[in-house]
Amino acid sequence: GAGVSQSPSNKVTEKGKDVELRCDPISGHTALYWYRQSLGQGLEFLIYFQGNSAPDKSGLPSDRFSAERTGGSVSTLTIQRTQQEDSAVYLCASSPGQGMYGYTFGSGTRLTVV
Amino acid sequence: AQSVTQLDSQVPVFEEAPVELRCNYSSSVSVYLFWYVQYPNQGLQLLLKYLSGSTLVKGINGFEAEFNKSQTSFHLRKPSVHISDTAEYFCAVSDREEGAQKLVFGQGTRLTINP
Repeated sequence: GAGVSQSPSNKVTEKGKDVELRCDPISGHTALYWYRQSLGQGLEFLIYFQGNSAPDKSGLPSDRFSAERTGGSVSTLTIQRTQQEDSAVYLCASSPGQGMYGYTFGSGTRLTVV
Repeated sequence: AQSVTQLDSQVPVFEEAPVELRCNYSSSVSVYLFWYVQYPNQGLQLLLKYLSGSTLVKGINGFEAEFNKSQTSFHLRKPSVHISDTAEYFCAVSDREEGAQKLVFGQGTRLTINP
């Protein structure tokens, strides 16, 4: 597609439920990133996929968070047993390769855990 | 590991005044540097980037930034701001020593333009 597409744009869920957030990167972009933006905070790196390499999961805050990227394209970020502190905007970005190209960001998914 | 410090969390300025948003990064031999802008309820958009060469980089919407290696800074400037520049601005760094695999972002600076 023309840009990075994220869905849903907004998600309200009850504490303890699982949620899945989807990211559709720009066609041909080999790198895909997930960041989290909490109120008053900067962007917190979560996970990074580059081609067929093993993902860099160093930013995932707990084992309740996981992500996969199927066929080198669409990615899904899953949060299990959601907690109120998981409330944030989850941003996905893609890049043609390494970070030197900069990222193209999606509009994000605003997750609210009640 | 790299880190980025944006010294001002909020900057209020009057319309048509000049503005400088400050950014410092932790020392490294070589880095790529970026400024992103986030307008209300939108995603992040690339303003400009420094990869190599001239230390003065020009971006969209009249913004420019200067890379200063000795001071490990990459401050963003605009000589005359408009109401439409009201947004949050993020500085980011990618470490070439670490393979430039990912960007590390600062905490952001909220720029508010007053009429």
